[in-house]
Amino acid sequence: AQTVTQSQPEMSVQEAETVTLSCTYDTSENNYYLFWYKQPPSRQMILVIRQEAYKQQNATENRFSVNFQKAAKSFSLKISDSQLGDTAMYFCAFMKRTGTASKLTFGTGTRLQVTL
Amino acid sequence: DGGITQSPKYLFRKEGQNVTLSCEQNLNHDAMYWYRQDPGQGLRLIYYSQIVNDFQKGDIAEGYSVSREKKESFPLTVTSAQKNPTAFYLCASSKNGRENGYTFGSGTRLTVV
Repeated sequence: AQTVTQSQPEMSVQEAETVTLSCTYDTSENNYYLFWYKQPPSRQMILVIRQEAYKQQNATENRFSVNFQKAAKSFSLKISDSQLGDTAMYFCAFMKRTGTASKLTFGTGTRLQVTL
Repeated sequence: DGGITQSPKYLFRKEGQNVTLSCEQNLNHDAMYWYRQDPGQGLRLIYYSQIVNDFQKGDIAEGYSVSREKKESFPLTVTSAQKNPTAFYLCASSKNGRENGYTFGSGTRLTVV
């Protein structure tokens, strides 16, 4: 079974600064996908970024980028130029590659507060 | 616009009663999922369904039941056997064979009174 660990329950960053959220996972699989989801106070889950394990290149989406270290089973999220709208819970998630339904396994989340 | 609709947004239940949470999608997605969210525990999988008339238990299926009679619908029943039903419930869907992550509904907050 896969496990996902987020060791930072809460973090705070000032507006315009950069923050990195940590995530580690445990799996015996070789082909898989990793995700970061954002859950703002509205509680709507929003996909932030996705990484395919077989790709060496780290995924980026505007101000969001990841540092994917496959050997270390680490998948951190870097948010640059933080904005007040980035305040949310952030969940790291693991998906095993399969041809049918793919179950997402989530970490316990990191609550990020962006301050003025 | 395509999406997932969960209803109601808030639900109150008396102890000992069954209650059904609705989840409907018009994305033509094959698979649907139910997750439970509790503070400090992230999201935990209750049930999932890959195709119509078929579903599998997730990690915390005890006290819950589901049906998948239509591709668009995946209702979740919280039975009186569920010991701690107060939680936030999220429904999601995905297209089989495409690992693009899930599309989530906006959730239902269930409170037992």
